[in-house]
Amino acid sequence: GAVVSQHPSWVICKSGTSVKIECRSLDFQATTMFWYRQFPKQSLMLMATSNEGSKATYEQGVEKDKFLINHASLTLSTLTVTSAHPEDSSFYICSAMGPTPRTYEQYFGPGTRLTVT
Amino acid sequence: DAKTTQPPSMDCAEGRAANLPCNHSTISGNEYVYWYRQIHSQGPQYIIHGLKNNETNEMASLIITEDRKSSTLILPHATLRDTAVYYCIVRDGGGSYIPTFGRGTSLIVHP
Repeated sequence: GAVVSQHPSWVICKSGTSVKIECRSLDFQATTMFWYRQFPKQSLMLMATSNEGSKATYEQGVEKDKFLINHASLTLSTLTVTSAHPEDSSFYICSAMGPTPRTYEQYFGPGTRLTVT
Repeated sequence: DAKTTQPPSMDCAEGRAANLPCNHSTISGNEYVYWYRQIHSQGPQYIIHGLKNNETNEMASLIITEDRKSSTLILPHATLRDTAVYYCIVRDGGGSYIPTFGRGTSLIVHP
């Protein structure tokens, strides 16, 4: 149990376009979802925290107008990278947390590799 | 949340035990020790967690010192597939937890 999926697993887009990444909790309700970004050979960097039905809380230095996060339901959060540029190329990982199956345990998605050309 | 310190890299031979240390000297009484690992180009995977007692599951054992200022993750019989970056995190058990990751330990298991 406690599976988190991400779609797509990888995406290539042209500079200036927007890309949407989906994060779904398949068998539990995620009251909180987290979005991370990871550059090569670096650790995960938390970008934002979103609670279902409310606006996301962004970490310092993360542009909220560039990285749009929507957590409209208890099983789905989306990250939209707007006007993508090559420096946005990275590995994006989401995680989900809820009161069940294990209270406030953090479950991770498999990640999405974004390449902006 | 308390911060953790881990060695940047370690290696061990296949079939031997891998012992990965973590220092968390400022851990609070209600904070747990969690271990995750990340295999290249995948999302992190939960391994084990504990509060003050030693814990064991099908993947690993977690040894926490009596003063809780450090812990050791033990992979009893490492395989090549255990090559990954291992992250030690301390956190409270509540929903207000904001997860952050340090640099972790890159474990290389060699034949």
